[in-house]
Amino acid sequence: ETGVTQTPRHLVMGMTNKKSLKCEQHLGHNAMYWYKQSAKKPLELMFVYNFKEQTENNSVPSRFSPECPNSSHLFLHLHTLQPEDSALYLCASSQVTTGAYNEQFFGPGTRLTVL
Amino acid sequence: AQSVSQHNHHVILSEAASLELGCNYSYGGTVNLFWYVQYPGQHLQLLLKYFSGDPLVKGIKGFEAEFIKSKFSFNLRKPSVQWSDTAEYFCAVTYSSASKIIFGSGTRLSIRP
Repeated sequence: ETGVTQTPRHLVMGMTNKKSLKCEQHLGHNAMYWYKQSAKKPLELMFVYNFKEQTENNSVPSRFSPECPNSSHLFLHLHTLQPEDSALYLCASSQVTTGAYNEQFFGPGTRLTVL
Repeated sequence: AQSVSQHNHHVILSEAASLELGCNYSYGGTVNLFWYVQYPGQHLQLLLKYFSGDPLVKGIKGFEAEFIKSKFSFNLRKPSVQWSDTAEYFCAVTYSSASKIIFGSGTRLSIRP
Protein backbone atom coordinates (compact mmCIF):
# COMPACT_ATOMS: atom_id res chain seq x y z
CA GLU A 1 0.00 0.00 0.00
CA THR A 2 1.46 3.32 -0.98
CA GLY A 3 0.60 6.79 0.28
CA VAL A 4 1.39 8.22 -3.15
CA THR A 5 -1.05 7.70 -5.99
CA GLN A 6 -0.61 8.46 -9.66
CA THR A 7 -3.07 8.66 -12.51
CA PRO A 8 -3.30 7.49 -15.14
CA ARG A 9 -1.25 4.31 -14.79
CA HIS A 10 -0.83 4.01 -18.55
CA LEU A 11 -0.99 6.70 -21.23
CA VAL A 12 -0.53 6.53 -24.97
CA MET A 13 -0.37 9.82 -26.79
CA GLY A 14 0.56 11.26 -30.15
CA MET A 15 3.24 13.88 -30.55
CA THR A 16 0.71 16.65 -31.03
CA ASN A 17 -1.44 15.80 -28.01
CA LYS A 18 -1.62 17.61 -24.68
CA LYS A 19 -2.07 15.51 -21.59
CA SER A 20 -1.42 15.75 -17.86
CA LEU A 21 -0.13 13.33 -15.27
CA LYS A 22 -1.45 13.63 -11.74
CA CYS A 23 0.15 12.74 -8.44
CA GLU A 24 -1.35 12.92 -4.97
CA GLN A 25 0.34 12.18 -1.68
CA HIS A 26 -1.56 11.34 1.50
CA LEU A 27 1.44 11.40 3.84
CA GLY A 28 1.48 15.03 4.93
CA HIS A 29 4.86 15.59 3.28
CA ASN A 30 6.16 18.99 2.24
CA ALA A 31 8.19 18.04 -0.83
CA MET A 32 7.22 16.35 -4.08
CA TYR A 33 9.25 15.15 -7.03
CA TRP A 34 8.94 14.01 -10.63
CA TYR A 35 11.34 11.37 -11.97
CA LYS A 36 11.77 9.75 -15.36
CA GLN A 37 12.69 6.07 -15.42
CA SER A 38 13.89 4.73 -18.77
CA ALA A 39 15.16 1.25 -19.48
CA LYS A 40 18.86 0.79 -18.73
CA LYS A 41 19.28 4.37 -17.51
CA PRO A 42 19.60 5.82 -14.00
CA LEU A 43 16.55 7.32 -12.44
CA GLU A 44 16.42 10.92 -13.68
CA LEU A 45 15.21 13.62 -11.34
CA MET A 46 13.13 16.13 -13.30
CA PHE A 47 11.55 18.55 -10.84
CA VAL A 48 11.50 19.19 -7.11
CA TYR A 49 8.85 21.13 -5.25
CA ASN A 50 9.48 22.13 -1.67
CA PHE A 51 6.58 23.77 0.15
CA LYS A 52 4.89 24.24 -3.26
CA GLU A 53 7.88 26.16 -4.61
CA GLN A 54 9.91 24.69 -7.45
CA THR A 55 13.46 24.29 -6.18
CA GLU A 56 14.92 22.12 -8.89
CA ASN A 57 14.59 21.85 -12.64
CA ASN A 58 17.17 19.50 -14.04
CA SER A 59 17.39 20.97 -17.54
CA VAL A 60 14.08 19.44 -18.48
CA PRO A 61 12.71 20.45 -21.91
CA SER A 62 9.87 22.95 -21.84
CA ARG A 63 7.49 20.39 -23.33
CA PHE A 64 7.27 19.14 -19.72
CA SER A 65 5.56 21.64 -17.45
CA PRO A 66 5.06 20.91 -13.75
CA GLU A 67 2.42 22.40 -11.52
CA CYS A 68 2.09 22.14 -7.75
CA PRO A 69 -1.13 23.79 -6.58
CA ASN A 70 -0.68 22.61 -2.98
CA SER A 71 1.63 20.38 -1.00
CA SER A 72 -0.49 17.28 -1.67
CA HIS A 73 -0.86 17.50 -5.44
CA LEU A 74 1.59 17.58 -8.28
CA PHE A 75 0.92 17.63 -11.99
CA LEU A 76 3.08 17.14 -15.04
CA HIS A 77 1.64 18.76 -18.15
CA LEU A 78 2.81 17.23 -21.41
CA HIS A 79 2.82 18.99 -24.78
CA THR A 80 4.27 18.03 -28.17
CA LEU A 81 6.32 15.17 -26.79
CA GLN A 82 8.82 13.09 -28.73
CA PRO A 83 8.98 9.28 -28.97
CA GLU A 84 12.14 9.32 -26.82
CA ASP A 85 10.02 10.73 -23.99
CA SER A 86 8.37 7.33 -23.65
CA ALA A 87 9.22 6.09 -20.16
CA LEU A 88 7.87 5.43 -16.69
CA TYR A 89 7.21 8.71 -14.88
CA LEU A 90 7.44 8.43 -11.15
CA CYS A 91 6.17 10.80 -8.52
CA ALA A 92 7.59 10.82 -5.01
CA SER A 93 7.16 12.75 -1.81
CA SER A 94 9.22 13.26 1.31
CA GLN A 95 9.33 15.27 4.48
CA VAL A 96 12.12 17.80 4.33
CA THR A 97 13.51 19.07 7.61
CA THR A 98 16.23 21.62 8.08
CA GLY A 99 19.37 20.37 6.40
CA ALA A 100 18.01 16.90 5.72
CA TYR A 101 16.24 15.30 2.81
CA ASN A 102 14.66 12.16 4.17
CA GLU A 103 13.60 9.03 2.35
CA GLN A 104 11.21 9.40 -0.51
CA PHE A 105 7.98 7.53 -0.96
CA PHE A 106 7.17 6.64 -4.53
CA GLY A 107 3.98 6.23 -6.46
CA PRO A 108 3.43 3.36 -8.89
CA GLY A 109 4.25 5.49 -11.90
CA THR A 110 2.61 6.35 -15.19
CA ARG A 111 3.81 4.31 -18.17
CA LEU A 112 3.88 6.81 -21.02
CA THR A 113 4.13 5.83 -24.67
CA VAL A 114 4.54 8.56 -27.28
CA LEU A 115 3.71 7.50 -30.82
CA ALA B 1 30.13 16.23 -9.12
CA GLN B 2 28.08 14.30 -6.60
CA SER B 3 27.33 10.82 -7.87
CA VAL B 4 26.45 7.28 -6.92
CA SER B 5 27.92 4.21 -8.60
CA GLN B 6 26.50 0.73 -8.61
CA HIS B 7 29.07 -1.64 -10.03
CA ASN B 8 26.86 -4.54 -11.01
CA HIS B 9 24.18 -3.99 -13.63
CA HIS B 10 22.81 -7.52 -13.51
CA VAL B 11 23.44 -10.20 -10.92
CA ILE B 12 22.19 -13.76 -11.27
CA LEU B 13 22.20 -16.06 -8.25
CA SER B 14 20.73 -19.36 -7.19
CA GLU B 15 18.40 -19.56 -4.21
CA ALA B 16 20.20 -19.69 -0.85
CA ALA B 17 23.29 -17.99 -2.26
CA SER B 18 24.71 -15.00 -0.45
CA LEU B 19 24.29 -11.55 -1.95
CA GLU B 20 26.39 -8.44 -1.92
CA LEU B 21 25.58 -5.46 -4.15
CA GLY B 22 28.13 -2.69 -4.36
CA CYS B 23 27.41 1.01 -3.95
CA ASN B 24 29.92 3.85 -3.85
CA TYR B 25 29.26 7.55 -3.62
CA SER B 26 31.43 10.53 -4.29
CA TYR B 27 32.73 12.66 -1.46
CA GLY B 28 30.53 15.58 -0.51
CA GLY B 29 30.40 15.90 3.24
CA THR B 30 27.67 14.52 5.46
CA VAL B 31 25.47 11.98 3.72
CA ASN B 32 22.31 10.02 4.25
CA LEU B 33 22.25 6.68 2.42
CA PHE B 34 19.41 4.54 1.15
CA TRP B 35 18.67 1.32 -0.65
CA TYR B 36 15.42 1.09 -2.57
CA VAL B 37 13.93 -1.98 -4.20
CA GLN B 38 11.56 -2.24 -7.15
CA TYR B 39 9.86 -5.62 -7.51
CA PRO B 40 8.51 -6.46 -10.98
CA GLY B 41 5.45 -4.35 -11.70
CA GLN B 42 5.58 -2.61 -8.34
CA HIS B 43 6.60 0.81 -7.12
CA LEU B 44 9.96 1.73 -5.65
CA GLN B 45 10.06 1.15 -1.91
CA LEU B 46 12.59 1.76 0.81
CA LEU B 47 14.62 -1.26 1.88
CA LEU B 48 16.80 0.43 4.48
CA LYS B 49 18.50 3.71 5.31
CA TYR B 50 21.48 5.11 7.17
CA PHE B 51 21.44 8.54 8.78
CA SER B 52 23.86 8.19 11.70
CA GLY B 53 24.93 5.83 14.47
CA ASP B 54 25.66 2.14 13.96
CA PRO B 55 27.12 1.78 10.45
CA LEU B 56 25.55 -1.66 10.08
CA VAL B 57 21.95 -1.08 9.18
CA LYS B 58 19.28 -3.74 9.11
CA GLY B 59 16.33 -3.44 6.78
CA ILE B 60 13.28 -5.37 5.79
CA LYS B 61 13.26 -8.95 4.46
CA GLY B 62 16.63 -9.87 5.96
CA PHE B 63 18.65 -7.25 4.11
CA GLU B 64 21.42 -5.26 5.71
CA ALA B 65 23.95 -2.68 4.57
CA GLU B 66 27.20 -1.44 5.97
CA PHE B 67 28.34 2.17 5.75
CA ILE B 68 32.12 2.33 5.41
CA LYS B 69 33.01 6.00 5.48
CA SER B 70 36.66 5.51 4.53
CA LYS B 71 35.63 3.67 1.39
CA PHE B 72 32.61 5.86 0.56
CA SER B 73 30.64 2.64 0.30
CA PHE B 74 27.23 1.37 1.37
CA ASN B 75 27.03 -2.21 0.14
CA LEU B 76 23.84 -4.20 0.43
CA ARG B 77 23.98 -7.77 1.74
CA LYS B 78 21.75 -10.73 2.38
CA PRO B 79 23.11 -14.07 3.63
CA SER B 80 20.62 -16.27 1.76
CA VAL B 81 18.51 -15.00 -1.12
CA GLN B 82 15.10 -16.25 -2.14
CA TRP B 83 13.37 -16.34 -5.50
CA SER B 84 11.11 -13.53 -4.25
CA ASP B 85 14.14 -11.22 -4.01
CA THR B 86 14.13 -10.93 -7.79
CA ALA B 87 13.93 -7.17 -8.32
CA GLU B 88 15.89 -4.08 -9.21
CA TYR B 89 17.88 -2.49 -6.41
CA PHE B 90 18.81 1.18 -6.28
CA CYS B 91 21.34 2.83 -4.01
CA ALA B 92 20.74 6.51 -3.27
CA VAL B 93 22.37 9.30 -1.32
CA THR B 94 21.45 12.74 -0.09
CA TYR B 95 24.15 15.24 0.74
CA SER B 96 23.60 17.83 3.45
CA SER B 97 24.90 20.43 1.01
CA ALA B 98 22.40 19.59 -1.70
CA SER B 99 18.65 19.65 -1.98
CA LYS B 100 18.05 16.39 -3.77
CA ILE B 101 18.53 12.65 -3.61
CA ILE B 102 20.88 11.07 -6.14
CA PHE B 103 20.18 7.55 -7.36
CA GLY B 104 22.54 4.98 -8.76
CA SER B 105 21.76 3.30 -12.07
CA GLY B 106 20.35 0.22 -10.36
CA THR B 107 21.27 -3.46 -10.18
CA ARG B 108 18.92 -6.06 -11.55
CA LEU B 109 18.91 -9.18 -9.38
CA SER B 110 17.64 -12.43 -10.87
CA ILE B 111 17.26 -15.47 -8.65
CA ARG B 112 17.14 -18.96 -10.15
CA PRO B 113 14.66 -21.15 -8.27
